[in-house]
Amino acid sequence: KAGVTQTPRYLIKTRGQQVTLSCSPISGHRSVSWYQQTPGQGLQFLFEYFSETQRNKGNFPGRFSGRQFSNSRSEMNVSTLELGDSALYLCASSLAGTVDEKLFFGSGTQLSVL
Amino acid sequence: GQNIDQPTEMTATEGAIVQINCTYQTSGFNGLFWYQQHAGEAPTFLSYNVLDGLEEKGRFSSFLSRSKGYSYLLLKELQMKDSASYLCASPDTGRRALTFGSGTRLQVQP
Repeated sequence: KAGVTQTPRYLIKTRGQQVTLSCSPISGHRSVSWYQQTPGQGLQFLFEYFSETQRNKGNFPGRFSGRQFSNSRSEMNVSTLELGDSALYLCASSLAGTVDEKLFFGSGTQLSVL
Repeated sequence: GQNIDQPTEMTATEGAIVQINCTYQTSGFNGLFWYQQHAGEAPTFLSYNVLDGLEEKGRFSSFLSRSKGYSYLLLKELQMKDSASYLCASPDTGRRALTFGSGTRLQVQP
């Protein structure tokens, strides 16, 4: 079956703009998580959605938001972009999002903020 | 979340064995994951340990000691394709989120 799909693969934006990233989980997976990956900080948790509800949120400013649709697809939005938002944004899905479930990651969206 | 430490870089020779260590806080422990990430690609699941001991999966094995807050990933018969970053991660207490270590970049040389 198809894996986790993230679009777009690359994005270039300028400071102050906003951006929306998309994630389609594996069919049947209802939990979608988002992570930010940077060389300095590694992977950091942004938020997790299950059945259209945000169940968990990481320590990121309110400029970072997300949502999940009834078909489990998810989007994340970053408003008022800053240079420090340049990163690889990874989406991961799992069946139910329990702590012992392995995550299936997409290839990510590489965001560059100029 | 957890405080997870692992070495930044390691180098090993093709055909050899390498052990990648990971230490974590023992309070609120919910198991330990290992993921592999090739440059420019998605992380992929390798193992999950919640009980003490060694679990073997082909050339890869993962070990856990809960009392010591210690895990390692053992890679045998190294191949060039094993050159990648290896990420140690543990679920946060009380929420469905993983805290990752900074990753260990393994370079396999001929």
